[in-house]
Amino acid sequence: KAGVTQTPRYLIKTRGQQVTLSCSPISGHRSVSWYQQTPGQGLQFLFEYFSETQRNKGNFPGRFSGRQFSNSRSEMNVSTLELGDSALYLCASSPRIIQGISGANVLTFGAGSRLTVL
Amino acid sequence: SQQGEEDPQALSIQEGENATMNCSYKTSINNLQWYRQNSGRGLVHLILIRSNEREKHSGRLRVTLDTSKKSSSLLITASRAADTASYFCATGGDAGNMLTFGGGTRLMVKP
Repeated sequence: KAGVTQTPRYLIKTRGQQVTLSCSPISGHRSVSWYQQTPGQGLQFLFEYFSETQRNKGNFPGRFSGRQFSNSRSEMNVSTLELGDSALYLCASSPRIIQGISGANVLTFGAGSRLTVL
Repeated sequence: SQQGEEDPQALSIQEGENATMNCSYKTSINNLQWYRQNSGRGLVHLILIRSNEREKHSGRLRVTLDTSKKSSSLLITASRAADTASYFCATGGDAGNMLTFGGGTRLMVKP
């Protein structure tokens, strides 16, 4: 079973540009989450998609957006890039969304897309 | 923002020794998980413990959870050089698949 695939793995952009990152979840997984990892802020939740709908959103500015397609593949976009957007962007998939106290939400992560903004 | 703190931030031990990492969190949780990350790559799920459990084992891993103290610990027994990685605790509430991660512990196991 193929894992979570993220493309591109590495990219370099300049301030003011925009970037689109892609994530293909494990086959059959319908939930895709995105996380940003930086040395200063650590791992922070960006957003989550399930059945093409954004279900949760972290505390990031509107420059960060995403979407999910009918095949569960997801993309995230960052517009008007800033130096502080340099980070490892991690995508994770899960079979479904779990709600409530009995839920358990193990995530399978991709290898990440490392974005450098100059 | 991060849910809590991990302690220590870095740990260096010899192969064969045990490694203990601690995690504290702030709000009520449904479950707590531990993930491993090798050298800036993706995270790998290690173990999950639910809020009504106190201890869980998986191979050389032992996790404890004390909800009254809002803390958890991860013990790796008989460590190996291949265990060298960063270890993160993550807490899940009832909001979908959103996890809140701690700052991580960087473990180095010397051969």
